[in-house]
Amino acid sequence: NAGVTQTPKFQVLKTGQSMTLQCAQDMNHEYMSWYRQDPGMGLRLIHYSVGAGITDQGEVPNGYNVSRSTTEDFPLRLLSAAPSQTSVYFCASSRDRGYEQFFGPGTRLTVL
Amino acid sequence: EDQVTQSPEALRLQEGESSSLNCSYTVSGLRGLFWYRQDPGKGPEFLFTLYSAGEEKEKERLKATLTKKESFLHITAPKPEDSATYLCAVLGKAAGNKLTFGGGTRVLVKP
Repeated sequence: NAGVTQTPKFQVLKTGQSMTLQCAQDMNHEYMSWYRQDPGMGLRLIHYSVGAGITDQGEVPNGYNVSRSTTEDFPLRLLSAAPSQTSVYFCASSRDRGYEQFFGPGTRLTVL
Repeated sequence: EDQVTQSPEALRLQEGESSSLNCSYTVSGLRGLFWYRQDPGKGPEFLFTLYSAGEEKEKERLKATLTKKESFLHITAPKPEDSATYLCAVLGKAAGNKLTFGGGTRVLVKP
């Protein structure tokens, strides 16, 4: 099993550009989440999904969109990148509520 | 709103010098408290889940304990490879699947 995979590993964008961060898991987990990690702020939840076709907002959803068309994939879209979105982004999955989340290796995003 | 506070922010230990990390939390009905380890440039790696006060879990030199207000991660006779950031997170009954993380404790173990 590859676990949770994320692409790309690094990305530099200019303000106003859009892009999609990819996340995939091969553990047949229903629950998937996107977090951002900033120095001094810890991990903050952006969006999450409890299954294919179902998504909801987390703590810091503004500027990001998600969709979940399959159990395996949960892409995160930045609509119009801003310098405030410079961060490290982690995708995670878990089999059910109350169970541990498995994290991907992260995407380091810089917005100039 | 669920809240998690970890202390200290950073901890320097000599190899073999045991210590404890604290995770204080407020939550509306605890579904679970999670400990993760994060190495630089990598994603968090799951260590333990604790579900109720009085529960304890152990793995090698790490032992996690839980009370109604806080959790401790005890590191016994640490080695340099235990150097990492340790993250605590809670899942509350009112929060659905939303984990709330603390800011983490950076641990450096010197040989």
